[in-house]
Order: sequence, then structure tokens, then C-alpha cells
Amino acid sequence: NAGVTQTPKFQVLKTGQSMTLQCAQDMNHNSMYWYRQDPGMGLRLIYYSASEGTTDKGEVPNGYNVSRLNKREFSLRLESAAPSQTSVYFCASSEGTGLNTEAFFGQGTRLTVV
Amino acid sequence: AQSVSQHNHHVILSEAASLELGCNYSYGGTVNLFWYVQYPGQHLQLLLKYFSGDPLVKGIKGFEAEFIKSKFSFNLRKPSVQWSDTAEYFCAFHSSGGYQKVTFGTGTKLQVIP
Repeated sequence: NAGVTQTPKFQVLKTGQSMTLQCAQDMNHNSMYWYRQDPGMGLRLIYYSASEGTTDKGEVPNGYNVSRLNKREFSLRLESAAPSQTSVYFCASSEGTGLNTEAFFGQGTRLTVV
Repeated sequence: AQSVSQHNHHVILSEAASLELGCNYSYGGTVNLFWYVQYPGQHLQLLLKYFSGDPLVKGIKGFEAEFIKSKFSFNLRKPSVQWSDTAEYFCAFHSSGGYQKVTFGTGTKLQVIP
């Protein structure tokens, strides 16, 4: 049971380069999320997709774009990477968006921008 | 703004010692509460959750947490820790709206010494 799968696991970028982080879930969940995790700051929501075909900004969306390609896949794109985007990125999914919902997380992508 | 505080950033314990990690949130209404664990190099996994009912919640691997509404607290406990409990622990709470509204704490790193 794969759950939530993220690729790549590690990436080093030069400032100004672009890249796309991929995320796929096999639990038939409606909602998907992208978080970044920085030391001493917990997880902060970048973007989310409540359902296929919709995306919305989270707490820290600047410098990122997302695409909900289909129900399974939700990608995060950095158009012009900056050192401030060095972080660990987590994708998550949940069945719905109601109050009594729990999310399942991928293994993370450790991104370094030099 | 809603927030959640984890008092201890880094805790070091010997095996068989008892564990209590503090978590306080700032919201006066109905909340859902979570504890997640992140083992080294792995994704976040749900340890336990409180949605309603018995305020003493039992989770996986012998962990439990008690919701004390009057203290706005949801502390995590384990009577006897093992080396394999070495991980980072995140408290999170959810007050309204979809899962995208979940607020995460900054995390507590637990190191258990054999």
C-alpha cells in the first residue's frame, strides 16, 4: 500500500532554476496539500486542492505554483528557485475537508537551493 | 491568530524513562487535536487524534494524550520510552473549516539514549 508518494526525495538547485515536485496518492482521496517544513517553524501550508480541478493558496504561497493534474496527482512548481525556498516539502492527502478529517503524508522532498 | 505551542524543542531521555510532551493551543471553541510523529528520514505518521468523547486518547505504540479543555492542553505521554521512540513529535489542532486549516506546532525532538 503506497499511500502518498513524492518524487524526488532529494534535490539541489541553483538560484533561478525551476523544478517540479511530484506527488501521487493511491487512496482515492479528494483533497491534497503541499507543506514546507523549516527548523523551528513546524509545517506551513503552501497550497491545497480541496477536490480535483480546484486549488487554493495556503499560508506561504509566494514563489510557488501548483497543478492538480487529476484526482491522484498534485504537483508543486518552483519557477525561479531562491535560497529561501531551501526546505523539506511534504505532500499530504485526505479523504475530504470536513472537520473530522485526518491527512496522510508522503516521505518528503529535501530541497536545497544554492 | 490561532496557534499551538510545544514547550520543549529537544528532549533527551534514557530508555524506560517516562515521557510527557506539552502542547497548548489558543482557541476557545471546538477543536480537533492531533499528535504526529516523524521518525528519522520518514514521513509524518498519525500517533493519535482527539475529535470528541473520552478526553484520554490512546494511540499507537503505547502513546496516550489527555485533552484538558480548561487548560487548552493536549499533552502526549508514554510511561516507558524505548530507543525506537527517537523521533520528532508534532502537535496540531483544527478548529474549523477543512483540513487546510490545521495548525501545526513547531515540533519536539525526542532523543532516547539506550
